[in-house]
Amino acid sequence: GQQLNQSPQSMFIQEGEDVSMNCTSSSIFNTWLWYKQDPGEGPVLLIALYKAGELTSNGRLTAQFGITRKDSFLNISASIPSDVGIYFCAGQLLGGGADGLTFGKGTHLIIQP
Amino acid sequence: SAVISQKPSRDICQRGTSLTIQCQVDSQVTMMFWYRQQPGQSLTLIATANQGSEATYESGFVIDKFPISRPNLTFSTLTVSNMSPEDSSIYLCSVVPGLAGRTDTQYFGPGTRLTVL
Repeated sequence: GQQLNQSPQSMFIQEGEDVSMNCTSSSIFNTWLWYKQDPGEGPVLLIALYKAGELTSNGRLTAQFGITRKDSFLNISASIPSDVGIYFCAGQLLGGGADGLTFGKGTHLIIQP
Repeated sequence: SAVISQKPSRDICQRGTSLTIQCQVDSQVTMMFWYRQQPGQSLTLIATANQGSEATYESGFVIDKFPISRPNLTFSTLTVSNMSPEDSSIYLCSVVPGLAGRTDTQYFGPGTRLTVL
């Protein structure tokens, strides 16, 4: 199936630092979504992007839908301990015919005290 | 969004047995999905379970192994049949809120953590 290349795989940062992660694909996506998953929980939707070039914020989080429709990034500013978790990008393929989402492999965010 | 619950939250099962996982939503939704998340991995779509139609399975997943029911607009079940240790995963349901929402904005339940011995 289609793959989303998500990077980095993991990040070790200090509290207060800014974080940036991204997803790319060789295919065009209709929608990009960013989720956060805490241990033992289901993914929680952070930001949804529906238009190429769209830039959307949710508190300290900002995400953009790439102009080529093949990539997206998520930035977290001034990280805090509760930001720890796994962040997944996900998307729905343009004209894919299926309604399910394709997920990236995740970015594991670790905040060092 | 929607409030989604799953039962059981976790289970440990013997190989060769079957487990039925329930997904309950607090509002009516047309579209529900079942995903699998193997240990340390990302999520993979198993099937789409829309009310009023047969479930649609993704490549690599078959109805005999993962039968799905969708009896109404707030409930679905996924059965993992004839389990083997390779079926040890987190199974998650997701929904698109409402009866005519965007198919691409999905909200997830808390997951069912299955361990097969």
